[in-house]
Amino acid sequence: DAGVIQSPRHEVTEMGQEVTLRCKPISGHNSLFWYRQTMMRGLELLIYFNNNVPIDDSGMPEDRFSAKMPNASFSTLKIQPSEPRDSAVYFCASSFGWNSYNEQFFGPGTRLTVL
Amino acid sequence: DAKTTQPNSMESNEEEPVHLPCNHSTISGTDYIHWYRQLPSQGPEYVIHGLTSNVNNRMASLAIAEDRKSSTLILHRATLRDAAVYYCILRDGGGKLIFGQGTELSVKP
Repeated sequence: DAGVIQSPRHEVTEMGQEVTLRCKPISGHNSLFWYRQTMMRGLELLIYFNNNVPIDDSGMPEDRFSAKMPNASFSTLKIQPSEPRDSAVYFCASSFGWNSYNEQFFGPGTRLTVL
Repeated sequence: DAKTTQPNSMESNEEEPVHLPCNHSTISGTDYIHWYRQLPSQGPEYVIHGLTSNVNNRMASLAIAEDRKSSTLILHRATLRDAAVYYCILRDGGGKLIFGQGTELSVKP
């Protein structure tokens, strides 16, 4: 298996532009997670899905952020409009099930820079 | 979510064992203890998890105190590739992984 795939790996954009990050989970996994990592705040969970349904989006910073999972093999995280403080590494992870003992597999991340 | 406490950093020599401690005095009976690590410029990766009994896998061992208020991740022979940030995380139902600051492990040749 190729593991969790994220694209793009790097994104540089200007303030005010729309940014879309993409994630393909491991085939057969039914839970998907979006995390953000910054030096100041560390790794934060933004939102997670189970069977394509958002379960908890309490970590989404504000209305500028939205996430979708239209099918079991694809998810997007969109920021509109983007701001410099959104600069971070965004990780997608997937797991088979979402119980407290399930292992999560992380993608390589998308490094976002907003100028 | 119950909180964990880890040292900010630790050093080890290559090919020696490493014991990474984690305190979790407010752990509840249903919390699983998970360890993940993050190598430089990579996403986190799962290391090991346990509930009450000690656990072993190909990467590491997890020793859990009898009262479950602390645990220790054991790398039996550290290699340079084991230099990473190690996170101790408690999970109680659901999918959330709440990452703390972790322990940055450096390995000297």
